[in-house]
Amino acid sequence: GAVVSQHPSWVICKSGTSVKIECRSLDFQATTMFWYRQFPKQSLMLMATSNEGSKATYEQGVEKDKFLINHASLTLSTLTVTSAHPEDSSFYICSAPGLAGGPFNEQFFGPGTRLTVL
Amino acid sequence: AQSVTQLDSHVSVSEGTPVLLRCNYSSSYSPSLFWYVQHPNKGLQLLLKYTSAATLVKGINGFEAEFKKSETSFHLTKPSAHMSDAAEYFCVVSSRGSTLGRLYFGRGTQLTVWP
Repeated sequence: GAVVSQHPSWVICKSGTSVKIECRSLDFQATTMFWYRQFPKQSLMLMATSNEGSKATYEQGVEKDKFLINHASLTLSTLTVTSAHPEDSSFYICSAPGLAGGPFNEQFFGPGTRLTVL
Repeated sequence: AQSVTQLDSHVSVSEGTPVLLRCNYSSSYSPSLFWYVQHPNKGLQLLLKYTSAATLVKGINGFEAEFKKSETSFHLTKPSAHMSDAAEYFCVVSSRGSTLGRLYFGRGTQLTVWP
């Protein structure tokens, strides 16, 4: 099946610094990717929809200036957490629809990135 | 509007006994329904999906789920639990009205399997 990778798998940073997380579709193209965050013992919360070649669509309550998304190619989307603070510590997960896309098909999830802000 | 309700936040079973994880959904359109499993600090793995074909769906690792439109349910079952089944399980709905394939997640059910 299709594979989605994320890098890094975990990162620890100091408060006030910025962190970039990459999401790659390894063997298929993805014009759309989704970014989620997951707090401990909680479900995934959709943060934004990343669109190749255009601006990301953010969910209500998600600060677009805080969480910068760039979808520069058909296989890569990046999420940059700017001026990170301890409350940004979370598990960030990306996903991409399968080859045929659309709501009927499986979405493939990356393994996630554990961000810890000190 | 689409939503998913997982009725149990935590389920505990003994190894070798049946597993039942309950899920109810709400969808404005004919839904596609999924069950994903997440092991600690890992990404999500698809167990099975319903996309309007057979109402009884068989997935990996012996799991299956039945789509019941009249009850708006999509409960996940397994006849005999294994220790390796201990994980977080998410029921997910995607609406045919969503051209972007947006997913709606339930809150998750933590499955504990006792030896």
